[in-house]
Amino acid sequence: AQRVTQPEKLLSVFKGAPVELKCNYSYSGSPELFWYVQYSRQRLQLLLRHISRESIKGFTADLNKGETSFHLKKPFAQEEDSAMYYCALWSYQKVTFGIGTKLQVIP
Amino acid sequence: GAGVSQSPSNKVTEKGKDVELRCDPISGHTALYWYRQSLGQGLEFLIYFQGNSAPDKSGLPSDRFSAERTGGSVSTLTIQRTQQEDSAVYLCASSLDGYDNEQYFGPGTRLTVT
Repeated sequence: AQRVTQPEKLLSVFKGAPVELKCNYSYSGSPELFWYVQYSRQRLQLLLRHISRESIKGFTADLNKGETSFHLKKPFAQEEDSAMYYCALWSYQKVTFGIGTKLQVIP
Repeated sequence: GAGVSQSPSNKVTEKGKDVELRCDPISGHTALYWYRQSLGQGLEFLIYFQGNSAPDKSGLPSDRFSAERTGGSVSTLTIQRTQQEDSAVYLCASSLDGYDNEQYFGPGTRLTVT
C-alpha cells in the first residue's frame, strides 16, 4: 500500500528564514511525487512535481529514493508563502495525499 | 478558460437522506478524480475515472457511496443514507489524461449532515 507522511501539521518560520516541509512516502514502485498548495480562499493547485525538477516560487523538492523523502525547501520564506502544503504520490489509477502542513510565515 | 466547477457549493442535509454532488471537469480532460477532505484530515482519494470508466472503486468509503461519469464529462458522486461522519468537503479534480497528472481542482462542495 502506498502512504504519504507529512509529520508536521503546522510549521511557523520568520520571514527570510529557510523553510523545509517534510514529506516521506512508502511505495513499492517508482513514485511520481508532487507538492500541491492551497492559499487562503483559493483552490488547491499544483506547486511542483519531481519529474520536472524545476523551481517554482523559489521552492524546490528533491526526490531521495534512499530516504524515501520528497522534502519541499525554500531558502528565504516570504509572507505570501503562508498556505497549506500537501505532498502527493501518484500511481496508476490512484493518488495518495499527505495530511498537509500549514506553513505560517511570521513577518 | 473555465476551470473545474462543482455544485452545489454547500449542502446541508438530514441524516438518512441521499445527496448528489456534481463535478464539471475542464473540457477535454479525460481523467477525473474525487476526494474527501474532513476536518483535520488530508485529502482522502475516493475514485478515479478515465473516460467513463472507474477501474478501481476500492477508495469509496462504503457501499453507500457511488459515482458515475457520463459522456466522458460530468460526474456525479452520490451518497445514500447520509451519516454525520460523511460531513466533509468533497473535491473534484481533472487532468488532461491519466498520465498527465497535473490535477486541476474544483472549489469543492461542503456537505453537512445534521
